[in-house]
Amino acid sequence: NAGVTQTPKFQVLKTGQSMTLQCAQDMNHEYMSWYRQDPGMGLRLIHYSVGAGITDQGEVPNGYNVSRSTTEDFPLRLLSAAPSQTSVYFCASSYGPYNSPLHFGNGTRLTVT
Amino acid sequence: QKEVEQDPGPLSVPEGAIVSLNCTYSNSAFQYFMWYRQYSRKGPELLMYTYSSGNKEDGRFTAQVDKSSKYISLFIRDSQPSDSATYLCAMSGGSNSGGSNYKLTFGKGTLLTVNP
Repeated sequence: NAGVTQTPKFQVLKTGQSMTLQCAQDMNHEYMSWYRQDPGMGLRLIHYSVGAGITDQGEVPNGYNVSRSTTEDFPLRLLSAAPSQTSVYFCASSYGPYNSPLHFGNGTRLTVT
Repeated sequence: QKEVEQDPGPLSVPEGAIVSLNCTYSNSAFQYFMWYRQYSRKGPELLMYTYSSGNKEDGRFTAQVDKSSKYISLFIRDSQPSDSATYLCAMSGGSNSGGSNYKLTFGKGTLLTVNP
């Protein structure tokens, strides 16, 4: 019973590098989302998806891309890393909209130097 | 005014104390209210879930929602050192709350430490 799996757990990037944060869920959830968590800022929604092939922007989408080719996977791409993207990134999934609790992964801790 | 306000603490209590954690909100469309617990270096996990107003009890935990005051609370009875974590409130609207109905709005979290 894996739930939501995020890889890698830790990553250090140099400014300008690109990378993809992986997220996979095995609960057949239609809804998936990416959050970043920063001290004093709480959880902020980056992008979300309501099903395969459908994505939309959240509160802080700039500098990030997503795609959803399968129900299970929802990768987050950093196009050109900046120090302001140093954060803890959480992927989450849920069964349905608005009334379904989110299931979170254990996060990817990203440092951009 | 932010949509959801939560006192960040930190809150430190002795073992066995009753803990009260609170959030206020401004969006009257919110109908679904949740509390998440987040241990250090882990993802948030759902603790309590309530719909509309009222109380819900689960073991040592009680969630209260007062929609007239736009105020929700989480009470922890007989607190234990294992309850030490950050507690986040979260809420969302229903199917008629527009395009953002999918998104949960989170408080910033309250850091709780229960001392043995």
